[in-house]
Formats: sequence, structure tokens, C-alpha cells
Amino acid sequence: QVHLVESGGGLVKPGGSLRLSCAASGFTFSDYYMSWIRRAPGKGLEWVSYISGPGTPIYYADSVKGRFSISRDNAKNSLYLQLNSLRAEDTAVYYCGRDTEVGTDHWGQGTLVSVSS
Amino acid sequence: QSELTQPPSVSGAPGQTVTISCTGSSSNIGAGYTVHWYQQLPGTAPKLLIYSVNNRPSGVPDRFSGSKSGTSASLAITGLQAEDEADYYCQSYDTSLSGRVFGGGTKVTVL
Repeated sequence: QVHLVESGGGLVKPGGSLRLSCAASGFTFSDYYMSWIRRAPGKGLEWVSYISGPGTPIYYADSVKGRFSISRDNAKNSLYLQLNSLRAEDTAVYYCGRDTEVGTDHWGQGTLVSVSS
Repeated sequence: QSELTQPPSVSGAPGQTVTISCTGSSSNIGAGYTVHWYQQLPGTAPKLLIYSVNNRPSGVPDRFSGSKSGTSASLAITGLQAEDEADYYCQSYDTSLSGRVFGGGTKVTVL
């Protein structure tokens, strides 16, 4: 059974950093693209970044390019998102998702990132 | 402003049919990229509802159906039920962004 569990969210000041993690189980992690997707309060879903099974290629939304960095450790079945230079508008619930050719078919429960002074 | 435009809200009485549009352009849906739909119930993570335009994952009731024509796609919910109250999102790929894109989301209210 596929299981994704995010962690690492919290309250951080503008300009600060956080590292989110996503622990995966129940499938061959290295075979799949993985994504980070967020939902800000009162707004809709926004795709943030995704990474291929081997680790490249990597893609970022323009809103986070140069500030966020996605990575994965296939030996640990883990996905990461390093968030730097955080802004108030980065406040959101961040979800990790397993990507297939037919959509993001499994999602974690999400971790909340709050950016505020 | 998303590259995929959805109505902010739709509503219907129990048993009725509601349709949610997802209007794109020649850089996404019109370029032939497929469309997926997600349902997000209050307080929960999104769930894949329809994949590749008109396919339902196992466990999704056949009350949900999808279609695509030209630069737009649609999600229909027939026999609307109270448990269908949720936010719905379309997703595709956009060549101008070189990445995936979600629609702005549509809140479905059951009257």
C-alpha cells in the first residue's frame, strides 16, 4: 500500500529557511517521478516542483525558481524540498505526490509552512 | 491567474448534474496534452478523480466523468450527492511554462 508522509513544516520568519521531507513506502520509490504541490490559504493548488526517478531532470514553478531546491534519496525512499529566502506568500500546506503518466495518483497528508514575522 | 481557467463555484441540488469547465489554450490542452481532475474534500489531501481526460481510478463512482474538446475540458457530476461538496481542480502540462499547471479550482456546493 502506497504511503507518503511529509514532515518539516513550521513557523519561520521572512527570509528564513526550512527543509521538508517526504517518506515514501509501499512502492519502488526510484521508479517514479515525485512532486511537491502546495495550497496557500484561500487559494488553489499550485504545482511547485518535480523530480524524475534518477534525480534529473528537475522542474520548478517560476514562483520558486532560485529559492527552492528539490532532491531525493532513493536509498532512503525519501523526497526533500529545501525552502530558502521564504516569503509570506510561500505560506501554504505542502503536499508530496507520486507522479505517473496518468496523474499524481497518491498524495501525502501535507505539512504546513507559515512564513510570518 | 492560472493558464487553466475554471469557474470559482458551481452548485446544484441533490440528484442534479453539474459541469465544471477547464478552459486552456494552444500551449496546454489545445496542444494535445492530457487533462487530469482532482477532488479535495474539506480538510483532506487532494485525490485523483479522473485521469487522461475520461478515465476513473478504481473506487471512483461512475457519477464522475470527463471530456475534452479543443482547448477545453469538462468534469461532470451526475446524481449530485452531499458528499460531493469539495474543491475540484483540472491539471495539464503547459509548454510556455515548461511545466505542469493546475486550474484555479472550483468549489462545488450541494444545495
